[in-house]
Amino acid sequence: DAKTTQPPSMDCAEGRAANLPCNHSTISGNEYVYWYRQIHSQGPQYIIHGLKNNETNEMASLIITEDRKSSTLILPHATLRDTAVYYCIVSIIFSGSARQLTFGSGTQLTVLP
Amino acid sequence: DGGITQSPKYLFRKEGQNVTLSCEQNLNHDAMYWYRQDPGQGLRLIYYSQIVNDFQKGDIAEGYSVSREKKESFPLTVTSAQKNPTAFYLCASHRDRYGNQPQHFGDGTRLSIL
Repeated sequence: DAKTTQPPSMDCAEGRAANLPCNHSTISGNEYVYWYRQIHSQGPQYIIHGLKNNETNEMASLIITEDRKSSTLILPHATLRDTAVYYCIVSIIFSGSARQLTFGSGTQLTVLP
Repeated sequence: DGGITQSPKYLFRKEGQNVTLSCEQNLNHDAMYWYRQDPGQGLRLIYYSQIVNDFQKGDIAEGYSVSREKKESFPLTVTSAQKNPTAFYLCASHRDRYGNQPQHFGDGTRLSIL
């Protein structure tokens, strides 16, 4: 199963872009990369996912390297509300369809005023 | 609004007691999941269900049981056999049995021992 490696913590100034890296060097060809975030005592919130192309939605952008061994989540204009633990996840497929999301320790992003 | 509702938000269990955590979704999602999260750790899969009347064990199913009698409901029972039940329990669902649609989560139930 593909595992992910993330820095334990990062700081970002309010209004600046937050760039959160993730290493997933053992990812297989059909595994997607998902990003979630979790604010204390709440359920994880889905942010974005991708396979090999860069993706963008209203929350963030996802940049995946050409060899798919790493990715970066970009929050273009961080606000104080973006302070959370960010998880980079590669889904593990159970029995051909159901997918387990294995959450590691994540990155604690702190947005500073 | 569509979403996943978990209840109660906080739950206390006495020794030898079974307790049931509720998870309801109105998203018309096929697959549903139960995860456990311990302080400072990631999520671990307890059970999952891809269709009604079918469910499978995850990595840490011992001491837990589930049912899936309706598409929108996937309750989790923490039995007295689970010796260390204190944790944050999260229910998730996603749209179809196949493909790569993201899982969406409820706001969790925090279970503690009295």
